Amino acid sequence: DAKTTQPPSMDCAEGRAANLPCNHSTISGNEYVYWYRQIHSQGPQYIIHGLKNNETNEMASLIITEDRKSSTLILPHATLRDTAVYYCIVRPTDSWGKLQFGAGTQVVVTP
Amino acid sequence: GAGVSQSPSNKVTEKGKDVELRCDPISGHTALYWYRQRLGQGLEFLIYFQGNSAPDKSGLPSDRFSAERTGESVSTLTIQRTQQEDSAVYLCASSPHTVAGTEAFFGQGTRLTVV
Repeated sequence: DAKTTQPPSMDCAEGRAANLPCNHSTISGNEYVYWYRQIHSQGPQYIIHGLKNNETNEMASLIITEDRKSSTLILPHATLRDTAVYYCIVRPTDSWGKLQFGAGTQVVVTP
Repeated sequence: GAGVSQSPSNKVTEKGKDVELRCDPISGHTALYWYRQRLGQGLEFLIYFQGNSAPDKSGLPSDRFSAERTGESVSTLTIQRTQQEDSAVYLCASSPHTVAGTEAFFGQGTRLTVV
């Protein structure tokens, strides 16, 4: 039932932008793309979500391709505190069921 | 409170005992979720409550696991006759129910150790 594909890990230098890809080639027209992250020993934290337009907030930017089959989460200036597992999730707008977490991407920000 | 509150934060129990884990969601949030996370692994969905609808129990691993929620308030996850494989962090989340997509807020979890 996996709906998203993410690389298992990636490294990023402190102060540089981190670009996290997510493939969701079977996404439906009524499904949002959500991003969460989980810092070690903490509960998951919401980052951002979008339907088809690009979105930006104080934490990150979300770029969704025109065909909606993939997206990229951008952390503009990575800090050591951004080291975490990042999860990309798709979820229908009209079905308020479980959030299906996959394996995510382990991001390590290095000095 | 400002966020989702879970108690206890840590629980050590003997194999075969029953345990109850509590979740206090954010006030006004109609949706509540329970997840399990074993050491070094991802989040496993357990159960989902939405308002007065029948809960989605599709993730409960066995009949030793059950959960209740009183209205739109506190929820309790009960594990009967605990086994060592039940050792994990149990995470609760809540979210409002809106049309435009919304975020789920997670608690810090209850770390359960079965010895």
